[in-house]
Amino acid sequence: EIVLTQSPGTLSLSPGERATLSCRASQSVSSSYLAWYQQKPGQAPRLLIYGASSRATGIPDRFSGSGSGTDFTLTISRLEPEDFAVYYCQQYGSSGVTFGGGTKVEIK
Amino acid sequence: QVQLVQSGAEVKKPGASVKVSCKASGYTFTGYYMHWVRQAPGQGLEWMGWINPNSGGTNYAQKFQGRVTMTRDTSISTAYMELSRLRSDDTAVYYCAKDLHDYSNVLDPWGQGTLVTVSS
Repeated sequence: EIVLTQSPGTLSLSPGERATLSCRASQSVSSSYLAWYQQKPGQAPRLLIYGASSRATGIPDRFSGSGSGTDFTLTISRLEPEDFAVYYCQQYGSSGVTFGGGTKVEIK
Repeated sequence: QVQLVQSGAEVKKPGASVKVSCKASGYTFTGYYMHWVRQAPGQGLEWMGWINPNSGGTNYAQKFQGRVTMTRDTSISTAYMELSRLRSDDTAVYYCAKDLHDYSNVLDPWGQGTLVTVSS
């Protein structure tokens, strides 16, 4: 099973700042089968990015994903008030499906 | 639009079983795998498995094999997840989620979640 480690655990930033979230895999994620989800309190997760860098339908272009192999990054170029939430990475390669532990982006 | 509506909250005793339903609308139910994911209070996401609504075939995460059963009723576009021999650490919100592209293991969208509380 591929283990995903997200860092940092919490990111304290102000609106308008840039957020960089990391997701590291214990072994290479095949074909960049890496997705990112956003979850707000009391809500279900929402798909942001799949295939490491493809934005899901309706996702603003301030969200971008990059990376390959074992190192992946989610970048939010300029934080909006509605972006403060928990973000999870997920790999979906040949070894099954696993999620990272999450990164909380909070208002500084 | 695609919508997944789950059944209501449940309270169960240890050792019992729970069955959660997920009614789909807005797309061809048999065309996309359905996944189940759970989230314990204050914790992260844990994938449980998927069902192919067309064939009824399933794939369960190893952790849940022997305790989970995923089924579907195509006549009413509804998927079900049954978890047996419940323990207190099964207390969680259980989500169904449609596969983005028939069988891609990308989950979009998700149901609203069903809270299952296991307590004596």
